Amino acid sequence: EVQLLESGGRLVQPGGSLRLSCTASGFAYGNFAMTWVRQAPGKGLEWVASIGGGGGNPFYADSVKGRFTISRVNSRDTLYLQINSLRADDTAVYFCAKCAGYHPEHHFDSWGQGTLVTVSS
Amino acid sequence: EIVLTQSPATLSLSPGERATLSCRASQSVSTYLAWYQQKRGQAPRLVIYGASNRATGISARFSGSGSGTEFTLTISSLEPEDFALYYCHQHSNWPLTFGGGTQVEI
Repeated sequence: EVQLLESGGRLVQPGGSLRLSCTASGFAYGNFAMTWVRQAPGKGLEWVASIGGGGGNPFYADSVKGRFTISRVNSRDTLYLQINSLRADDTAVYFCAKCAGYHPEHHFDSWGQGTLVTVSS
Repeated sequence: EIVLTQSPATLSLSPGERATLSCRASQSVSTYLAWYQQKRGQAPRLVIYGASNRATGISARFSGSGSGTEFTLTISSLEPEDFALYYCHQHSNWPLTFGGGTQVEI
């Protein structure tokens, strides 16, 4: 069974930084691209960033480009999202999701339960 | 950016009724279109991929159709557990995008 467990979300002040983690199990992690999707309170889903199975080909939403960095360590079955220069509108539940293929241009076939990031002074 | 427009925003139906959800893309996404179900406080769950393929474990009462710019998710006979929020998602072009969602409510 595929399991994705996010962690690292917390209350952060504007301008601060945070690193989110997503630990995967139940599948050959390095064979699949991974993605971060976020959902602001009471709002819809917003794609944030994706990375290929080998760690190459990162893609970012314009709203986070230059502030967020997606990375992965396949030996640890772990996905990361480094978030810098946090703003109030980054407040959201951040979900990691498994892509259906090695390259990131796939739908998302499994999702974690999410971790809440709150940006407030 | 490809904009996905879902309609209606809210669908009020009763158990046993048929639900028809629409997703329109601002430009062609071929069949690179997925549907997700999200219940309150839960993560999204894949329902349909490739516009018309049911995901693993999804009931046969769910079906998807369409290609290009017009897509439909149909729930043939609503069960109590189907009342939820549904999002369409395109992975044809970067940036990946989601529709605004359709709430299926009792």
